[in-house]
Amino acid sequence: EAAVTQSPRNKVAVTGGKVTLSCNQTNNHNNMYWYRQDTGHGLRLIHYSYGAGSTEKGDIPDGYKASRPSQENFSLILELATPSQTSVYFCASGDAWTGVNYAEQFFGPGTRLTVL
Amino acid sequence: EQQVQQSPASLVLQEAENAELQCSFSIFTNQVQWFYQRPGGRLVSLLYNPSGTKQSGRLTSTTVIKERRSSLHISSSQITDSGTYLCAMGNNNAGAKLTFGGGTRLTVRP
Repeated sequence: EAAVTQSPRNKVAVTGGKVTLSCNQTNNHNNMYWYRQDTGHGLRLIHYSYGAGSTEKGDIPDGYKASRPSQENFSLILELATPSQTSVYFCASGDAWTGVNYAEQFFGPGTRLTVL
Repeated sequence: EQQVQQSPASLVLQEAENAELQCSFSIFTNQVQWFYQRPGGRLVSLLYNPSGTKQSGRLTSTTVIKERRSSLHISSSQITDSGTYLCAMGNNNAGAKLTFGGGTRLTVRP
């Protein structure tokens, strides 16, 4: 199975501070994704990437930036963290369906972020 | 906006009973994936099933594209099956990103 790791696993930040969440995948997938999961809202897409150097806005990008410096790494950046960004963040990797491969996505273990 | 509806929202079973979980989509999709999640845990991919029927152990998924729906059948449930089951649809024209349903919370009792 695809290996996706995230760091840190838990993070406590202060309002107005900068937070960087990191994700690494070792399966050479082109696409990577950042989701957040909240009670009552389920999982929602924040940013995604088609490959190194690319970032795209997802459904709820406001307040977040993303960076894809390499095929393996994808970061989510909160420049000015707010309490409303307290959530569990999941990174995922996968590929687009080409008619041959599966576009299955594999998820990391999640990062629990608390902004005080 | 893509939407995914799951039913039922919650389900309680006695051990060894079967479960049928449903998922419906607002648009046609070529990407359907079922996940399992324990409270506070990671999403574990159960089945990737864009069309037809696919089986993995006690799990069987059936996706009917033209009816925009997918189901997950769990046979002979076990206590360890308890958790939340999430259905997600993808759009290959939008980076293959997933849109998730609200989930079905399954509780299996002894």
